[in-house]
Amino acid sequence: DVKVTQSSRYLVKRTGEKVFLECVQDMDHENMFWYRQDPGLGLRLIYFSYDVKMKEKGDIPEGYSVSREKKERFSLILESASTNQTSMYLCASSSRDPGWQYFGPGTRLTVT
Amino acid sequence: SQQGEEDPQALSIQEGENATMNCSYKTSINNLQWYRQNSGRGLVHLILIRSNEREKHSGRLRVTLDTSKKSSSLLITASRAADTASYFCATDAYSSASKIIFGSGTRLSIRP
Repeated sequence: DVKVTQSSRYLVKRTGEKVFLECVQDMDHENMFWYRQDPGLGLRLIYFSYDVKMKEKGDIPEGYSVSREKKERFSLILESASTNQTSMYLCASSSRDPGWQYFGPGTRLTVT
Repeated sequence: SQQGEEDPQALSIQEGENATMNCSYKTSINNLQWYRQNSGRGLVHLILIRSNEREKHSGRLRVTLDTSKKSSSLLITASRAADTASYFCATDAYSSASKIIFGSGTRLSIRP
C-alpha cells in the first residue's frame, strides 16, 4: 500500500520560531510537493521538487524554504513562523507520468 | 496562473441521487484529475483523464472532458453518505506535466 507520511498531525508554535515539517514517501517517486490549504482558497502550491536537491517555487513561496537531500524525504521550513502561516499543510508525491499525486494526512499548524 | 474552478461551491443532495460537479480551466492541459478530500484529511486521487480522452468511468464515477470549452464534469451516481466530502479538480501546466494546480473545490453533502 502506497504511503506518504507527515511528521505531525497537529503542531502549535510561537511567532518567530523555526518550524520543520517533514514528509516521507515510500513509492520511489521523483516529484514531491508542499501545499497549504486555507478555507475558501483551495490548495496553493508552496514548493515542489522534481529530483533530489532540485526545487522550484510554487505560487506562494514567500516565508518558506525546502530541503530534499534524499529522494524519499521532502522538508518544509518556516524560518521565522508568523501568525499568517497558520494553516493546514499537505505534502504529496507523484511519479513523472501519469502524474497523479498521493497525499499525506496533513499537518494542522497553529502559530500563536 | 492557470486554475481549475469548480462549480458549484457547495452541493447538498439526497442519498441515492446523482451529483454533478463542474470544473473550468484556462489554458491547454495534458490531463485533468479529480480528487476527494474527507474532512480534515489529505486528498485521495479519484480519476485522471487525458486531453485526448472525452469520457472516463470508474465505478460510480463518470468524468467528461471538453477541451474546446476547457471544462470537465464529475458525475457520482447513486450517491451514498460516504460520498460526503470536498471534490477538487486539478489541471497540469502543458509545459510542466508534473506540476498541477488545484481549484477551490466543491463541498458535497449527502442527506440520509
